[in-house]
Amino acid sequence: DAGVTQSPTHLIKTRGQHVTLRCSPISGHKSVSWYQQVLGQGPQFIFQYYEKEERGRGNFPDRFSARQFPNYSSELNVNALLLGDSALYLCASSLYPSTNEKLFFGSGTQLSVL
Amino acid sequence: GNSVTQMEGPVTLSEEAFLTINCTYTATGYPSLFWYVQYPGEGLQLLLKATKADDKGSNKGFEATYRKETTSFHLEKGSVQVSDSAVYFCALSEGGSGGSNYKLTFGKGTLLTVNP
Repeated sequence: DAGVTQSPTHLIKTRGQHVTLRCSPISGHKSVSWYQQVLGQGPQFIFQYYEKEERGRGNFPDRFSARQFPNYSSELNVNALLLGDSALYLCASSLYPSTNEKLFFGSGTQLSVL
Repeated sequence: GNSVTQMEGPVTLSEEAFLTINCTYTATGYPSLFWYVQYPGEGLQLLLKATKADDKGSNKGFEATYRKETTSFHLEKGSVQVSDSAVYFCALSEGGSGGSNYKLTFGKGTLLTVNP
C-alpha cells in the first residue's frame, strides 16, 4: 500500500510568490495535518483537516491556508512568500484526528525561498 | 503553552554503546508522549509512545517510560547499531480524542551518529 505522498519533493520560489503543496493520505485515512520543519528545529503544527473541515490551526499568519478535498487529499497554500518560509513541509495522515490514532508522515516538500 | 525540551546534540556513539536521550515536557493536562525518528531523506516515523503515567513504550530495542513526577520521557537503548543513526524527536500530543483535534508539539530533535 502506498504511504503518504507529497508533491513536489523540492521547490524553489522567490519572495512574494505563491506556492501550493499537495498531499495524498494513506487510503482510508480521513484526517490530514500539515507541519513546517525549519532546518535544525522540530516540526511545528500548521493545520489539521478532517472530513474537509478545519479542526485545528497553529500559530501561523493568514498567508498560510489549506483545504481538504472529497477524496481526502489536501493542499497547503502560502501567499506572499518570505525568506523565513524556507522549510521542509510535512504532511501526515491518520484515520481520525485522535490522540489514539497513529500519525503517518510523508517525506515532505523542501521549499526554498530566494 | 505546552512544550518539549530534549537534550542538545549531536550525540556520537560507538556501535554497541548505551544510548540515553533526555526529554522533558511542560503540559497543562495529561498528554500522550512520543518518540519519532527521522532517517536521512525520509519523513518522520513513530518509534514508540506512552499514553499515561508509568507506561513504558518500546520498539526495536528502544524504550521510554512516562514519568509524570519528573515530567520526563527519556529514550534509551542498551546497544546501538550503525543503522540507528538518525534524528530523534520527542513529542507530546494535545487535543481531545473522539474526533475533535489533535496536534503534536515536538522538541528540536537530537542527531545521533553511531560509528562502527
